[in-house]
Amino acid sequence: TQLLEQSPQFLSIQEGENLTVYCNSSSVFSSLQWYRQEPGEGPVLLVTVVTGGEVKKLKRLTFQFGDARKDSSLHITAAQPGDTGLYLCAGPNVNTDKLIFGTGTRLQVFP
Amino acid sequence: DAGVIQSPRHEVTEMGQEVTLRCKPISGHDYLFWYRQTMMRGLELLIYFNNNVPIDDSGMPEDRFSAKMPNASFSTLKIQPSEPRDSAVYFCASSPSGRSGNTIYFGEGSWLTVV
Repeated sequence: TQLLEQSPQFLSIQEGENLTVYCNSSSVFSSLQWYRQEPGEGPVLLVTVVTGGEVKKLKRLTFQFGDARKDSSLHITAAQPGDTGLYLCAGPNVNTDKLIFGTGTRLQVFP
Repeated sequence: DAGVIQSPRHEVTEMGQEVTLRCKPISGHDYLFWYRQTMMRGLELLIYFNNNVPIDDSGMPEDRFSAKMPNASFSTLKIQPSEPRDSAVYFCASSPSGRSGNTIYFGEGSWLTVV
């Protein structure tokens, strides 16, 4: 069974701090996606990474796909209260192609 | 453009009652997904449709759960009879393609509480 474990589970920081959240698996994924879910809303796609070692930037967010395509990280520079939410990684099951979601990291950024 | 539209947004019902959740996917999207989200289990795929046909319902927890998609613009998820452990947020989502790496667009969710 392919699993995606995210860490940390919870993170509370002050505005302006930097942070990194991780998405790890023992299985290889053809691609990984990162979603952000704000309170009371559905998840919204932030990025898709498809190549081992790939780095993508979205303003203050930097996403990296591991060389072996088993893990990914999301780094946020100078976090803002608007970054508050649940961050989910997701990848397709190798056999069924169904999207598997990670356990999530709940981020709170205080002003 | 309208996104995925779900109703009701919130539902509180008594144990044993029938619950029907509704979804209108984004026009032109061939795939429709029903997910359930809880603190304990995270986001789980219940069932998905391709061109109105159910493809995989292996995530449906029990026979009490059923889903239909009578046409390209409407789907329902029904729970009968409902139980307190069904309390969760139910998301409908749609995608233009079922290929991995494609964007899945989620609705705002239906918050179900069974007392």
